[in-house]
Amino acid sequence: DQQVKQNSPSLSVQEGRISILNCDYTNSMFDYFLWYKKYPAEGPTFLISISSIKDKNEDGRFTVFLNNSAKHLSLHIVPSQPGDSAVYFCARRKLQFGAGTQVVVTP
Amino acid sequence: NAGVTQTPKFQVLKTGQSMTLQCAQDMNHNSMYWYRQDPGMGLRLIYYSASEGTTDKGEVPNGYNVSRLNKREFSLRLESAAPSQTSVYFCASRPGQGIAGNTIYFGEGSWLTVV
Repeated sequence: DQQVKQNSPSLSVQEGRISILNCDYTNSMFDYFLWYKKYPAEGPTFLISISSIKDKNEDGRFTVFLNNSAKHLSLHIVPSQPGDSAVYFCARRKLQFGAGTQVVVTP
Repeated sequence: NAGVTQTPKFQVLKTGQSMTLQCAQDMNHNSMYWYRQDPGMGLRLIYYSASEGTTDKGEVPNGYNVSRLNKREFSLRLESAAPSQTSVYFCASRPGQGIAGNTIYFGEGSWLTVV
C-alpha cells in the first residue's frame, strides 16, 4: 500500500522554464516531507524538505509547496537547468518513497 | 569524507547462491537502512536498524537477512538468491528519529544481477 505517490514517471522541460513535480500522500498527521534527487549510478541526495506546519519552503531555485487539505505537495524548479536532469523522489518522515519522476531538461 | 560506503558495487550471482552486501557509515548515525530500487517502484525499504543492536523488517524483507554489527556497519545477506532479487541496493543512514535527524544519506548503490 503505497502511501506516497508520484503519478508522473517522467517530465520534459526546456532550459529556463519551470519544472513542477507532484506528489500525493495518504494517512497524514503531523508529518515531514523530503525531496531527493538521484543521478544515474549514484545514490539519492537530499534536496529540500518541508514540515506539515508550513505550506512553503524555498531554497534557491527549488521551492516545495504543501497542501495538507489536498494531501499534495509539489516541487518547483525555476529556472530549470540541464544539470537538473535526474530522478526526483518525494518521501515522508517515515521514509516511504514515491516511485520517482524522471526529469529531462533540454537546451 | 566517505559518508555511506557500500560494497560490492557490482555483483552477478547464480540462482541459489548466497552473498552479503556490506555497508558502513562514518557519520556516527544511529539509524541505518537497506533499500532496493526497481523500475517504476521507487525505493522500497527492506530492513532497517533504528539503533545498534536492533533490526526491523521494512516493506519487502522476504529473502533477506540483516546484521547490525556495530554502530558503523549494517550488512544485508541474501541466503539463496533468486532472479526477483535482481535490483539496485542502497544502504542509507540518518542521525536519529527526531525531526532534526530526518535527512537520510545514501550510499552509491550496489548493482546485483541474479541469473
